[in-house]
Amino acid sequence: SQTIHQWPATLVQPVGSPLSLECTVEGTSNPNLYWYRQAAGRGLQLLFYSVGIGQISSEVPQNLSASRPQDRQFILSSKKLLLSDSGFYLCAWGETSNEQFFGPGTRLTVL
Amino acid sequence: KQEVTQIPAALSVPEGENLVLNCSFTDSAIYNLQWFRQDPGKGLTSLLLIQSSQREQTSGRLNASLDKSSGRSTLYIAASQPGDSATYLCAVDEGGYNKLIFGAGTRLAVHP
Repeated sequence: SQTIHQWPATLVQPVGSPLSLECTVEGTSNPNLYWYRQAAGRGLQLLFYSVGIGQISSEVPQNLSASRPQDRQFILSSKKLLLSDSGFYLCAWGETSNEQFFGPGTRLTVL
Repeated sequence: KQEVTQIPAALSVPEGENLVLNCSFTDSAIYNLQWFRQDPGKGLTSLLLIQSSQREQTSGRLNASLDKSSGRSTLYIAASQPGDSATYLCAVDEGGYNKLIFGAGTRLAVHP
């Protein structure tokens, strides 16, 4: 069966510091991978998606970037965090036109 | 631009009631619609996926219907239990790559 991992589970970072969140998937090959953010008082918003190694599409302009160095690894990064980057970050995987499965999430607080 | 709306925003019911949660979307050109459950501070759990060619899906006490032409979906929960308390989210895939657009959710509380 497929499993999706995210770490860290929680993170508190100062404004201007860098960020790296990691997501890995087990039990599937060549999945589509997604990063979503759930900000306080706002719904889930798709940030990035990837259909393969090195293939990243950005859905909204922002202070973040994503990379996919391996088939089942998806990384969310920032060079300098802003207060507005605080939120709950969720990684997901799925196959085109099929169910999407989410990881446990990372709670990021930027102070 | 696709917009997804969920009504009601919050619902509190006694145990045993049958419930209907509503989801509407503005553009009927969707590939599929998915219902999720989210417990506080947790990730999303997939409940039901309805492809655009389907009218409904069932899993245990849950039944989801889809009327694509009118831009509506409903999630029916039979014989609600306190363990059903959570936020329920619907999402549509309009691009075919599972780039989901979410509603704001319905927060459900089932009390004993």
